[in-house]
Amino acid sequence: AQSVTQPDIHITVSEGASLELRCNYSYGATPYLFWYVQSPGQGLQLLLKYFSGDTLVQGIKGFEAEFKRSQSSFNLRKPSVHWSDAAEYFCAVGPSILTGGGNKLTFGTGTQLKVEL
Amino acid sequence: SAVISQKPSRDICQRGTSLTIQCQVDSQVTMMFWYRQQPGQSLTLIATANQGSEATYESGFVIDKFPISRPNLTFSTLTVSNMSPEDSSIYLCSVVGHPYEQYFGPGTRLTVT
Repeated sequence: AQSVTQPDIHITVSEGASLELRCNYSYGATPYLFWYVQSPGQGLQLLLKYFSGDTLVQGIKGFEAEFKRSQSSFNLRKPSVHWSDAAEYFCAVGPSILTGGGNKLTFGTGTQLKVEL
Repeated sequence: SAVISQKPSRDICQRGTSLTIQCQVDSQVTMMFWYRQQPGQSLTLIATANQGSEATYESGFVIDKFPISRPNLTFSTLTVSNMSPEDSSIYLCSVVGHPYEQYFGPGTRLTVT
């Protein structure tokens, strides 16, 4: 069965510092990969996605993520964190068109990001 | 992307009662999903709701506990029946917009006392 692991439950960074949030997945084939952000009291907002092609994908709010097939990873990065980035971040995987498609997502347990001023 | 609203945004309910959560989308969509996010945990898919057919439930979720309606392509409801404190969670609906992209509503925060 597919699974998503986000090993860091909490991360604290200083404003202006760089950020990397880890995501590893277990899947039968290369899935579609997503990062979502959830601010307090809000729903989930899609930050970026990987379907195929260039393994470095750009998203909204200055975020990027790199897909590494050999490591089954899809880590999220941001070169300079802003205080407003404090939120919970979820990595998710879904079946690709090559494996029949569909839209059922499996989520990781999330990483809570705290930004120190 | 789709704009999704949910009602109520939060509620506090008594044990043994039921609550119906509404999800409204600003455009017609084929597939809608209902998720549960228990305190401090990730999202778990409850069911997939397609218009004109019965909802498809994930393992561990049953229709008697979580009946779902999907009367048209812009609206769905999820009822949490015979509630217990373990049902205290955030319930979110989502829709598929761009192929394979899901967009989420703001969630309904339910507390059962």
